[in-house]
Amino acid sequence: QSALTQPRSVSGSPGQSVTISCTGTSSDVGGYNSISWYQQHPGKAPKLIIYDVTKRPSGVPDRFSGSKSGNTASLTISGLQAEDEADYYCCSYAGSYTWVFGGGTKLTVL
Amino acid sequence: QVQLVESGGGVVQPGGSLRLSCEASGLTFRSYGMHWVRQAPGKGLEWVAFIRSDGGNKYYADSVKGRFTVSRDNSKNTLYLQVNSLRGEDTAVYYCATDISYSYFGHWGLGTLVTVSP
Repeated sequence: QSALTQPRSVSGSPGQSVTISCTGTSSDVGGYNSISWYQQHPGKAPKLIIYDVTKRPSGVPDRFSGSKSGNTASLTISGLQAEDEADYYCCSYAGSYTWVFGGGTKLTVL
Repeated sequence: QVQLVESGGGVVQPGGSLRLSCEASGLTFRSYGMHWVRQAPGKGLEWVAFIRSDGGNKYYADSVKGRFTVSRDNSKNTLYLQVNSLRGEDTAVYYCATDISYSYFGHWGLGTLVTVSP
């Protein structure tokens, strides 16, 4: 149950695009399409923004998109806005009814 | 709308115990598997435990196995986490969350803080 690997921080200017990677193994990210992403603002609960690798819940802007290749999943945020500044966490099902999160990435909008 | 409200956190000495609760409303609670996820101060999210909708099967992270017990009372729309033999590294905000298709966490509560300190 080792945490998935995410960059500690990324940054971008308003209007730009950023991509956050999430690297695991064939036992988690590479083995399942149960990849989700969560946005967390300071002092708030996490909020689901991507599920099943590429799907967006209703109400989440289409500026947020997800993908996966091999053992690495990615979250791309296009058209960055100030309110996107937050922490982002990936999560993968890891088999045998266990789940594993990434260490989190702090997004700074410059 | 779905609401999950955690309670039961507090300050406890190392080796102590607490029972956390998560009261659900706005959903058919008995139809959902439920998770506990925690977040140490300034740290990332860590999955802690999962219980199936009927309470029949329970699963734990290695870090809490043997010390934490998840349970539920579907008649009270409430999820529980009994936390025993607490250690400093258990200090965290504990969130409950609904399971969706064993794939992701659909709804989250606001969390309850557990602080383990002498």
